[in-house]
Amino acid sequence: RKEVEQDPGPFNVPEGATVAFNCTYSNSASQSFFWYRQDCRKEPKLLMSVYSSGNEDGRFTAQLNRASQYISLLIRDSKLSDSATYLCVVNAGSNYQLIWGAGTKLIIKP
Amino acid sequence: GAGVSQSPRYKVAKRGQDVALRCDPISGHVSLFWYQQALGQGPEFLTYFQNEAQLDKSGLPSDRFFAERPEGSVSTLKIQRTQQEDSAVYLCASSSNQGFAEAFFGQGTRLTVV
Repeated sequence: RKEVEQDPGPFNVPEGATVAFNCTYSNSASQSFFWYRQDCRKEPKLLMSVYSSGNEDGRFTAQLNRASQYISLLIRDSKLSDSATYLCVVNAGSNYQLIWGAGTKLIIKP
Repeated sequence: GAGVSQSPRYKVAKRGQDVALRCDPISGHVSLFWYQQALGQGPEFLTYFQNEAQLDKSGLPSDRFFAERPEGSVSTLKIQRTQQEDSAVYLCASSSNQGFAEAFFGQGTRLTVV
């Protein structure tokens, strides 16, 4: 089993819809969680950190479920510009050693 | 500069050739990371510097890979005797913290070994 697993997609979603995807992790000691966004042939960019209590940033909501060891990302009112690959990142026990998922590809269609 | 800068952006190397990839982190950033990203995969950790000290090089795939950051700013990743499996995008990230939180990535160097 991979340490961090994501559904590769692609998720094909009409503009304006709500989409959610999960990421599971295997290390129960993990403390830091992030969602990154990566556009084709570009570098990853931080979308949001994921806090224990869940957090929201505009149309984006991230949640952590420690019991089931997964994090989720919900995107409301999706825009064409949301089309990208979303990477889940989990720390591996230190503040710099991070494990990256392979990403979930999201395609927003007009 | 305003962001993390990597050069060259693209590199084609013949198998067996040595290559050097450069990373200019954001000025004043303490932490610097190198990652390798294969097509369709997430980045894989290679090595981590805190200032000039290489604190972790456990992700370097073989002894052909070597990284340095002699003055605690610019870093170079060197790959000796390149192999086809080294073809990937090499990403550098820097952070003002002692760790990865709020790290910013450069645009990467796409290495193709032919």
